Amino acid sequence: QSALTQPASVSGSPGQSITISCTGTSSNIGSYNLVSWYQQHPGKAPKLFIYEGNKRPSGVSNRFSGSKSGNTASLTISGLQAEDEADYYCCSYAGSSTWMFGGGTMLTVL
Amino acid sequence: QVQLVESGGGVVQPGGSLRLSCAASGFIFSNHGMHWVRQAPGRGLEWVTYIHYDGSSKYYAESVQGRFSISRDNSKNTIYLQMNSLRTDDTAMYFCARGGIFGVIRNPDSWGQGNLVTVAP
Repeated sequence: QSALTQPASVSGSPGQSITISCTGTSSNIGSYNLVSWYQQHPGKAPKLFIYEGNKRPSGVSNRFSGSKSGNTASLTISGLQAEDEADYYCCSYAGSSTWMFGGGTMLTVL
Repeated sequence: QVQLVESGGGVVQPGGSLRLSCAASGFIFSNHGMHWVRQAPGRGLEWVTYIHYDGSSKYYAESVQGRFSISRDNSKNTIYLQMNSLRTDDTAMYFCARGGIFGVIRNPDSWGQGNLVTVAP
């Protein structure tokens, strides 16, 4: 059960857009529309930002969007703000009531 | 609002056992599956285990299969994680998180604040 692959870090300036990729296989991301994205600040619990690939929970800014192509899911953050600086994790259903997470991406707002 | 509060963590020697609890409120607990997810210090998230809303089915990551056991008491709005044969690489913050309703497959949505388990000689 290897983790999904995310870049270790990404960065952007305020107002810019960034995209974080999450690569899996045909057994997880490629087979199910069940990818979620979480934001985690240091010492805090993860918070759901995107679910079922491209849906936002109530209260999450529309600057955050999700997409999927084949075995790769992506999180795009537009209009970067200082408070977006955090770790981001993808998660995919992997079949047979099991799940897997990506290794996490540290976002730095320059 | 959804609230999940973990407890029971602490320091334990390798080979020892520990039981975590997660008390839920703010939603109809007995309708939802529940997850445990852990995070080793400075590392990423790792899915650990999932239990169906009625406790009828349980699923585990390979890394904990045969050593950890998830259970729930819907009368107490609580899930448990019994951890046996603990190893140093089980050291992590353990989070409980809510899953889908009535067997519907859903990724974790609401999370507790976590409880630290340290396995050390």
